[in-house]
Amino acid sequence: GESVGLHLPTLSVQEGDNSIINCAYSNSASDYFIWYKQESGKGPQFIIDIRSNMDKRQGQRVTVLLNKTVKHLSLQIAATQPGDSAVYFCAEKGGNQFYFGTGTSLTVIP
Amino acid sequence: KAGVTQTPRYLIKTRGQQVTLSCSPISGHRSVSWYQQTPGQGLQFLFEYFSETQRNKGNFPGRFSGRQFSNSRSEMNVSTLELGDSALYLCASRNPGSSYEQYFGPGTRLTVT
Repeated sequence: GESVGLHLPTLSVQEGDNSIINCAYSNSASDYFIWYKQESGKGPQFIIDIRSNMDKRQGQRVTVLLNKTVKHLSLQIAATQPGDSAVYFCAEKGGNQFYFGTGTSLTVIP
Repeated sequence: KAGVTQTPRYLIKTRGQQVTLSCSPISGHRSVSWYQQTPGQGLQFLFEYFSETQRNKGNFPGRFSGRQFSNSRSEMNVSTLELGDSALYLCASRNPGSSYEQYFGPGTRLTVT
């Protein structure tokens, strides 16, 4: 089955700096990927998605990069704010279900 | 538009008991998926229901079951609870006709003692 891993379980960044959260996936046939943000006591919240026919997609302060050659996904958060502190998950769509990574905990230092 | 709601939010049960969790999707969303979230395993897919039919199922034992009603509300049931079933159970709804984007509820925190 698919395995979705994250390079670092925790990440600390200074407020105002850019954050980069990485994710590796194993199924080269996966055609759709999502990044989620989960704050303490809440369910995951959709941030941004990307289809496999794209390399990059930008949202508000966030950019997702997809490198299909090495099966790597990254989430870039520009000008990180204290409200960005949360656990971030990547998920890949394999077949008819989604497979999630275990998450990276982002801490923003004021 | 109201979000996904789950009840109860917290639950404590004893080994061997059974439990039923409820999920009300966003209005108009006909697909409901259930996930188990634990610190070690992350989010793991349990099953997905659409139009009252189970469409997909993850790798969980038969003690985990679910159903969906005509109003798209869904319930999941866990029988013969084990300590390892302690987890946050998340429900997510989506509109299959528009996108794969899922909207998650806040979850039910189940503790088995």
